[in-house]
This record gives sequence, structure tokens and C-alpha cells, in this order.
Amino acid sequence: GESVGLHLPTLSVQEGDNSIINCAYSNSASDYFIWYKQESGKGPQFIIDIRSNMDKRQGQRVTVLLNKTVKHLSLQIAATQPGDSAVYFCAERGSGGGADGLTFGKGTHLIIQP
Amino acid sequence: AAGVIQSPRHLIKEKRETATLKCYPIPRHDTVYWYQQGPGQDPQFLISFYEKMQSDKGSIPDRFSAQQFSDYHSELNMSSLELGDSALYFCASSQSRGNEQYFGPGTRLTVT
Repeated sequence: GESVGLHLPTLSVQEGDNSIINCAYSNSASDYFIWYKQESGKGPQFIIDIRSNMDKRQGQRVTVLLNKTVKHLSLQIAATQPGDSAVYFCAERGSGGGADGLTFGKGTHLIIQP
Repeated sequence: AAGVIQSPRHLIKEKRETATLKCYPIPRHDTVYWYQQGPGQDPQFLISFYEKMQSDKGSIPDRFSAQQFSDYHSELNMSSLELGDSALYFCASSQSRGNEQYFGPGTRLTVT
């Protein structure tokens, strides 16, 4: 079946460094992609989104890149801070019109080392 | 800013019992979504409602049902609970379909 997945379960970076979290998706019909951050015991928190007609979008300290050719999504976090420690999920939504539930990938646990 | 409210935050039930989870969307949001997240798992979409009508259906078991009321709050009814139903249940809301989904803090359901 269609799925969204992440390459690494855990990513450890030094505080102040940049981090890159990757995601591969398989549904070529997906038209909307989102990155969520989830802290322990809390609900997913929206970080940034991108639509399929774009290949890059920037936010505050975050950048999402979309490569539709290889069906790859990445989240770049600049100058990581201790508060960035969390599990990060990519999610996608199909373009089937009415299919508005999100399909989440496996999370990546980002650990910020002091 | 107002967020999605879920109640209760924690719930303990025994096998074969029933449970009702409630979700109050952000004001002026007309779409609600329900997700289930097992331990160490990614959230799985269950069902969604737009303007009080079911909009999309995911992997919701037949033992579960849900509805959205006239004030846009939603309830997830779970019957014949099984041990495997123990999970975090998140509700999300959006302003119309297809827009950014904001998640609530979740209800942790434990079935013993």
C-alpha cells in the first residue's frame, strides 16, 4: 500500500549545528506534505508545509525541500537548539478529492547534544 | 491562541467496555480529524468530518464510530474495547478541508 517513511529512526546533532531529516514517500499522487514535531506526551505540532507545485519553502530556521522526481522530502533545521529535541514526522495527503486524512511516516527522533 | 481541546486526557477501561472521547475544535474550524497513535508508532488516520458530515475514512475499526455535532465538536465512540486499543487518540481540526491541521493534546486510553 501507499506509505510515507523516514530513513533514520534517530538523529543526534550538536547544539548550534544544522540538521537534516529525510523522508521518502511512495504515493506519487500526493499533493501536500507537512512536517510535524512531536514532543513526548504531546500532540503533533505543525512546523512547515509544502505543496507539490513547489520544491522549496522556508520558515523560521526551517526549510522544506521536495523532490518529486525521486519522491523525497527533507526538513532542514538551522542552528539547532535544545528545544528542537523531539520526534519529527513527515505526512502527506493524497489528491484524490475527499482523501483529507494525513498519512504519517515513521518518526525520526532528533537529539540535540550540548 | 485557542487550541484543540480533548477530554478526557487520560482514560482507563477494561476489555469489552465502551469509551467516548470528545474533541472541541479551534473556534471557526469546521473540520475535525481523529488519529490513533500506538506506542512508538506514527499516528494513523481514523476518520474525519466536515460540516457535520463524514468526509474521509481511514483505518477505523467497525467497533468505533464517530460524529460531529452542530457546534462542531466531535465524539469518538469505542465499543468492545480490546487491549490493542490502548493508544493515544488525537483530534485535529482545520478551517475547511485541505487546510493545515492543528492537533490537540490527545487522550491516552489504557485498556486493561
